[in-house]
Amino acid sequence: LAKTTQPISMDSYEGQEVNITCSHNNIATNDYITWYQQFPSQGPRFIIQGYKTKVTNEVASLFIPADRKSSTLSLPRVSLSDTAVYYCLVGGFRDDKIIFGKGTRLHILP
Amino acid sequence: NAGVTQTPKFQVLKTGQSMTLQCAQDMNHEYMSWYRQDPGMGLRLIHYSVGAGITDQGEVPNGYNVSRSTTEDFPLRLLSAAPSQTSVYFCASGPGRRIFYTEAFFGQGTRLTVV
Repeated sequence: LAKTTQPISMDSYEGQEVNITCSHNNIATNDYITWYQQFPSQGPRFIIQGYKTKVTNEVASLFIPADRKSSTLSLPRVSLSDTAVYYCLVGGFRDDKIIFGKGTRLHILP
Repeated sequence: NAGVTQTPKFQVLKTGQSMTLQCAQDMNHEYMSWYRQDPGMGLRLIHYSVGAGITDQGEVPNGYNVSRSTTEDFPLRLLSAAPSQTSVYFCASGPGRRIFYTEAFFGQGTRLTVV
């Protein structure tokens, strides 16, 4: 499993775009980058996954530079309900389990 | 479609008691796992399974047993509860053995208090 580093916490305001960057310097060729979101008192939920360049869905965008040593989760126009912990995970075919780090605690202010 | 169902939602145990946390999924997923989450902390993997009859240890397996006799169920047994096992427990499942190429689905959690 590739080691990831992400900020422990972030604050932002409603209506702003939030970018959370994750570093994964030892990512392997076959590894994918996955982000999970966890609301208080709930289990995590998958929000987005990518391999390279940019992926977008109805919840977020994921930007991955060419060297793939980092990735950025982008949440457009956040609301108070986006307050959650966001986990960046990196892994591939060699990995038969998911190990979570501490994640980034995002706090949205009114 | 129920997804991942955990029972019970809340439980209080006395030190030394044993109990089983239940986890069932109706999505025919091969991968199932158990995590614990302590206040303000991330999730730590206890045990996981990549198919019926196959289990393996995660990061914090001591004090817990699992078995996987069917695809649908993955119970977690506490043999002799200790206050250090007070935590919120989450069960997760996912399609395929290569879990990183798919997504994991989590249950709503079991809040366990050991007194």
